[in-house]
Amino acid sequence: QVQLVESGGGVVQPGRSLRLSCAASGFSVSNYGMHWVRQPPGKGLEWVAVIWYDVSNKYYVDSVRGRFTISRDNSKNMLYLQMNSLRAEDTAVYYCARGRGDCSTTSCYTDYWGQGTLVTVSP
Amino acid sequence: QSALTQPASVSGSPGQSITISCTGTSSDVGGYNYVSWYQQHPGKAPKLMIYDVSNRPSGVSNRFSGSKSGNTASLTISGLQADDEADYYCSSYTSSSTYVFGTGTRVTVL
Repeated sequence: QVQLVESGGGVVQPGRSLRLSCAASGFSVSNYGMHWVRQPPGKGLEWVAVIWYDVSNKYYVDSVRGRFTISRDNSKNMLYLQMNSLRAEDTAVYYCARGRGDCSTTSCYTDYWGQGTLVTVSP
Repeated sequence: QSALTQPASVSGSPGQSITISCTGTSSDVGGYNYVSWYQQHPGKAPKLMIYDVSNRPSGVSNRFSGSKSGNTASLTISGLQADDEADYYCSSYTSSSTYVFGTGTRVTVL
């Protein structure tokens, strides 16, 4: 069955870096667009980034563009989020999610989500 | 990339129907039939309830339905049950090839 497991969260000081990982099983990340979505404690969901199935395109929310990089390793069936120059407002639970459709001629949504990993940016 | 607007809370008695609205712009909700809805119970990951405006994934109750008119999408829950009490979020694809979530709605079953 499809499963996504995030790891790599923790407490980090402002300005430092952290890399999140998402281990996928039950499907190949190479065949799907993959997303990162975050949720600050007690607040709503915020979409962060997507990497298309063919890796041709990567898109980011404005607040992280230039600081965060989404990538994946097909051989390991893993998704990553490299987060640099972290700020207090990046504090959140980070979820990875599988995308469906091409958002052009077919569908466009995320179906399976991991349980999330908490990132806390604090002095 | 402003969040889509949802009511902060909606409530109803068991068996009743409720509707949650999700208002965006012509650059997101109004421009694409790519609105999805997620249910989130406390401490849990979001669960897909509706995709592409009105499609239900396998395993989701037919008490959940979606629609869209102009820049506003809606999620209707009929025959409200205790387990429906949760937070609900809409999401849309945007003209910038990004995605945006709604502000979230807390559903309370009275």
